[in-house]
Amino acid sequence: DAGVIQSPRHEVTEMGQEVTLRCKPISGHDYLFWYRQTMMRGLELLIYFNNNVPIDDSGMPEDRFSAKMPNASFSTLKIQPSEPRDSAVYFCASTSVPGVTEAFFGQGTRLTVV
Amino acid sequence: GENVEQHPSTLSVQEGDSAVIKCTYSDSASNYFPWYKQELGKRPQLIIDIRSNVGEKKDQRIAVTLNKTAKHFSLHITETQPEDSAVYFCAASIPSDYKLSFGAGTTVTVRA
Repeated sequence: DAGVIQSPRHEVTEMGQEVTLRCKPISGHDYLFWYRQTMMRGLELLIYFNNNVPIDDSGMPEDRFSAKMPNASFSTLKIQPSEPRDSAVYFCASTSVPGVTEAFFGQGTRLTVV
Repeated sequence: GENVEQHPSTLSVQEGDSAVIKCTYSDSASNYFPWYKQELGKRPQLIIDIRSNVGEKKDQRIAVTLNKTAKHFSLHITETQPEDSAVYFCAASIPSDYKLSFGAGTTVTVRA
């Protein structure tokens, strides 16, 4: 398996535009997590899915953020409209059994909103 | 939810010396404590983990200790090398929660 795959690796967009980040988890992993990393706030969990169902979205900062997982091999995180304070590195991670098996991270998407 | 605090925020050590990073957690129900290493511009990667039924675990030059009574756990790196320079994150997980709560990270610099 190629690991967790995220796209794009870098995204620069203008304030107000819609941004969509994509993630392909490791095959067979039933849990998928979206994290945001900034210098100020570190690694924050935004939302996680189990078997494609959102379980906990309490970390989603605002209604401008939404996430979907239409099938076991694909998830998206959308920001609409984007703002400069959304600039961060967004990581997707997947695992088989949280707290038992390793959570593997993707390479991340570096988002810059100007 | 779980709250994890990590110290120090930065650590500079001479090559060959040891490095120690300490974390505390708030929820006594937490039972899984992984440590991740993140090199500049890269993804976080698991380097070692420990579960609440174990007090210490070692893997070559790295070791982790857990004190459940005091609710703290530590990462020890011995004989540090330049390639150990990175940001290290501790985390904790509650069995019923499935979420990893991360510490703020420690930037380790190994001086040659």
